[in-house]
Amino acid sequence: GENVEQHPSTLSVQEGDSAVIKCTYSDSASNYFPWYKQELGKRPQLIIDIRSNVGEKKDQRIAVTLNKTAKHFSLHITETQPEDSAVYFCAARNNFGNEKLTFGTGTRLTIIP
Amino acid sequence: DAGITQSPRHKVTETGTPVTLRCHQTENHRYMYWYRQDPGHGLRLIHYSYGVKDTDKGEVSDGYSVSRSKTEDFLLTLESATSSQTSVYFCATSDGYNEQFFGPGTRLTVL
Repeated sequence: GENVEQHPSTLSVQEGDSAVIKCTYSDSASNYFPWYKQELGKRPQLIIDIRSNVGEKKDQRIAVTLNKTAKHFSLHITETQPEDSAVYFCAARNNFGNEKLTFGTGTRLTIIP
Repeated sequence: DAGITQSPRHKVTETGTPVTLRCHQTENHRYMYWYRQDPGHGLRLIHYSYGVKDTDKGEVSDGYSVSRSKTEDFLLTLESATSSQTSVYFCATSDGYNEQFFGPGTRLTVL
């Protein structure tokens, strides 16, 4: 089955700096890669996703890049703000096999004011 | 929040007792999932359903069973709760192509 590894497990950055979180996946058939943000005591919520036919996707201060050859994808947050502090999860899914998401173990991002 | 509710939101129970958690959706999504979340482990899939009465195991299914008798409801049962099942349980739904939406979670403590 799919295995997703996520690094780092914790990340602290100064407010205004950029943050990068990286994930690797094992199943070359995976074709959908979402990123979820989970604030303390809340449910995970999708912040951005990318499909395998696209190499990069941006949404304001957030971007995701995908390298299918190397089987890794990354989340980039620019101009970080205190409200970006949360746990971030990457995930991978094969839309043409089972519809199960496999999650990474999460990155706790702390923005230092 | 995509019309997903979970009940109860909090439960404290004793070892050996049966426990049932309920997930209810109003999105008419075909797929429903149960995850548990523990520190250092992220979100781990317990069981999932791909239609009414169609279910399959996830990566941590031992000690859990599920049932789905109608599209909107997905039940998770701990037949005989153990302390290792103390966790936060999330239900999620999906149309199978787009994002998964999560419920608010249930915090279960087994004493």
